[in-house]
Amino acid sequence: QAVVTQEPSLTVSPGGTVTLTCGSSTGAVTTGHYPYWFQQKPGQAPRALIYDTTNKHSWTPARFSGSLLGGKAALTLSGAQPEDEAEFYCLLSYSGGRRVFGGGTKLTVL
Amino acid sequence: EVQLVQSGAEVRKPGESLKISCTPSGYTFTAYWIGWVRQVPGKGLDWMGLIYPGDSDTRYSPSFQGQVTISADKSISTAYLQWSSLKASDTAIYYCTRYGLDYWGQGTLVTVSS
Repeated sequence: QAVVTQEPSLTVSPGGTVTLTCGSSTGAVTTGHYPYWFQQKPGQAPRALIYDTTNKHSWTPARFSGSLLGGKAALTLSGAQPEDEAEFYCLLSYSGGRRVFGGGTKLTVL
Repeated sequence: EVQLVQSGAEVRKPGESLKISCTPSGYTFTAYWIGWVRQVPGKGLDWMGLIYPGDSDTRYSPSFQGQVTISADKSISTAYLQWSSLKASDTAIYYCTRYGLDYWGQGTLVTVSS
């Protein structure tokens, strides 16, 4: 089964910009992996932020954006707020309908 | 308003069976796939599988194939996740999600302990 990799932890200053990435053990991540991004705060269910690489939900703050960067899916947070501190997960889709989550990135806003 | 309401926390002993539920509202139940996701306490998310309630087409992640059964009853608009013989390693929070992964249930904590 494919392994999806994320940075274990990242730190960003309030108001700063940070990029989280999501790689695949099978090679470059493409739009065909339909990357999703989720935010999860302690004690809460995951909340969807980005789907199909770049698309935002109606509730996704404008400071979050999705892209492909250097063969990986990327989630960029521009203008970090204290409330953005959370765990972030990506999900990639593979042939045969298989889906795999990344291990998560713990984002600290400090 | 779309909501997915899951059944309450469960405590079972190893070897026991269990069926937990997910009842969506606010949309046509048979029109969207429903997925199940596991989260072991303090760990990440694991994709388990999904079902299309319209025809009960079910797809399992290889890691969960044969370990759980995903089903749906469209007469009562409810999806299920069940185990025939629980293990301690099944202790986790289980989430259902409408595919598109836009809406999620609140999670069901399953604790398996002797």
